[in-house]
Amino acid sequence: AQKVTQAQTEISVVEKEDVTLDCVYETRDTTYYLFWYKQPPSGELVFLIRRNSFDEQNEISGRYSWNFQKSTSSFNFTITASQVVDSAVYFCALSETGGSQGNLIFGKGTKLSVKP
Amino acid sequence: DGGITQSPKYLFRKEGQNVTLSCEQNLNHDAMYWYRQDPGQGLRLIYYSQIVNDFQKGDIAEGYSVSREKKESFPLTVTSAQKNPTAFYLCASSTGLPNYEQYFGPGTRLTVT
Repeated sequence: AQKVTQAQTEISVVEKEDVTLDCVYETRDTTYYLFWYKQPPSGELVFLIRRNSFDEQNEISGRYSWNFQKSTSSFNFTITASQVVDSAVYFCALSETGGSQGNLIFGKGTKLSVKP
Repeated sequence: DGGITQSPKYLFRKEGQNVTLSCEQNLNHDAMYWYRQDPGQGLRLIYYSQIVNDFQKGDIAEGYSVSREKKESFPLTVTSAQKNPTAFYLCASSTGLPNYEQYFGPGTRLTVT
């Protein structure tokens, strides 16, 4: 069965620290897609990144980087030199090509608090 | 500007009343979704629609109803049968393809007393 696990419920760091948010997924599909979303206090989910199952290259976008490892079914998200504006709930999600295509399976989210 | 609008931002109702939450998109997306978010629960899928005049139940459809008469609109009705309707409701849309992200609206916070 498909599942996304974000084991860290809450993380608190001090500004400028690096922080990694963990995401572990389960799927039987060989082709699937992984996503990260950010939910700031305003409530709207903001798309951050999409990764397909055939592309294991790590990606960096400014202070954000993502590490995708199929061998461990993980898609971890690292924020380098965290800032107060990074405070939000972060969701990892999975989309499969079988079954209900386009539907996202979300983890329960990790609440990140960055203190000045 | 293209995007998804949900109205209102905050909604208050008395127990026993049906209430309809609005969701409109101008992204020309085929698929639309409704999620419910409770503290510590993440997002749970209520209903989704891949095409006009068709919709499917998600994981927690009981006590909710939807319609999809127009591509742009996907209203959600929270009926009196929903036992615990107080929650944050998010609407989303996408192309419907698995490799495409969903775009989310700003959400409606419903409080039923």
